[in-house]
Amino acid sequence: SQQGEEDPQALSIQEGENATMNCSYKTSINNLQWYRQNSGRGLVHLILIRSNEREKHSGRLRVTLDTSKKSSSLLITASRAADTASYFCATDGNSGYALNFGKGTSLLVTP
Amino acid sequence: DGGITQSPKYLFRKEGQNVTLSCEQNLNHDAMYWYRQDPGQGLRLIYYSQIVNDFQKGDIAEGYSVSREKKESFPLTVTSAQKNPTAFYLCASSIRPYNEQFFGPGTRLTVL
Repeated sequence: SQQGEEDPQALSIQEGENATMNCSYKTSINNLQWYRQNSGRGLVHLILIRSNEREKHSGRLRVTLDTSKKSSSLLITASRAADTASYFCATDGNSGYALNFGKGTSLLVTP
Repeated sequence: DGGITQSPKYLFRKEGQNVTLSCEQNLNHDAMYWYRQDPGQGLRLIYYSQIVNDFQKGDIAEGYSVSREKKESFPLTVTSAQKNPTAFYLCASSIRPYNEQFFGPGTRLTVL
């Protein structure tokens, strides 16, 4: 079952702008992860944030987690054309020992 | 050079045939997973395995089967019972459940 839901479904920005995408989930979690997928490829792990963390940074990525609202956001600063991809959030929880992935946000960064 | 590989990259199948998708990892990971992805959709879990000789059904296991006889290998068979098998199939592994997952490059299956 897909617990995470990303918003927006699609996002188009210009190079240099910031991109923000959101993820909402339904049940309590131990951690939340963000992944990136280039067209026709496998997913690549970006960042993991634990339920007791509120914010985490990795290079140009900033992830926040609000467990009271059951939501997370991924901010990509100073976007580049190479950031064009789909971004997925994944949560642990009610699927036994596997992650639940959302449907993703499709990001297009134009030069 | 550690990683996870899937083969073949593209696979064509006639209706009524079973096909097996290969997934191999040399990361020494205990957990392995199979996902299906349809166009514009997220990942749906088919099967997962936490350890050798053990596997569990995911959300859409009907029409699929797996085996986990070796730690490195987790092949997926798409049987003729799967009514709509055309999709992109992704294999992943993680050192433990709920940890970061490492994905293979995927196999695109088309039923002719």
